[in-house]
Amino acid sequence: AIQLTQSPSSLSASVGDRVTITCRASQGITRALAWYQQKPGKPPKLLLCDASTLENGVPSRFSGSGSGTDFTLTITSLQPEDFATYYCQHFNDYPLTFGGGTRVDIK
Amino acid sequence: QVQLQESGPGLVKPSETLSLTCTVSGLSINSAYYWGWFRQTPGKGLEWVGSFYRGGITHYNASLQSRVIISGDTSTNQFSLKLNSVTAADTAVFYCARKCQRSGAFDIWGQGTMVIVS
Repeated sequence: AIQLTQSPSSLSASVGDRVTITCRASQGITRALAWYQQKPGKPPKLLLCDASTLENGVPSRFSGSGSGTDFTLTITSLQPEDFATYYCQHFNDYPLTFGGGTRVDIK
Repeated sequence: QVQLQESGPGLVKPSETLSLTCTVSGLSINSAYYWGWFRQTPGKGLEWVGSFYRGGITHYNASLQSRVIISGDTSTNQFSLKLNSVTAADTAVFYCARKCQRSGAFDIWGQGTMVIVS
């Protein structure tokens, strides 16, 4: 199974900060990667698929990049509603797997 | 709009079978979408359990394959998860979700249901 390693596992940031989260795959997955946001007690919310395609309704401050094994989720100007946990998920093959998550909290 | 809702017992005894149902509204489960089950625990994070497609096509996580069955019922527009021989390690929040047509991401999720094995 392909393993996804996210870093950092947590970070503290302020409103307005630029935040970058990385996701590294244990083998090449072309661009078969999605990013989700999850808030406590809620299901994951799809932000981007195919590594960089923004889902409808997701603010443009979210962006994704990368291909192969290294991927990045960037939030250009952190907003209060962005404090949450972020997960990457690959869909290169089965089994689908997720990264361990990156918790973004308020500094 | 499309909505998914999980239902089932919140408490299951060890060695018994965990059974959950996902009721889909706003779209037929017989349409050209994969439907999936996931679980989440504090220790293991998010885990894909398996996926279902019309006609009975299924894919399962190999770590659970010997214990899991996912099936659909078009008459009720539901798909279900059965996980047998459960242990405390199966305690989790379970989610059902719809896979995007154009990618392997899941764009619509149920609210989740907590299942405790005890």
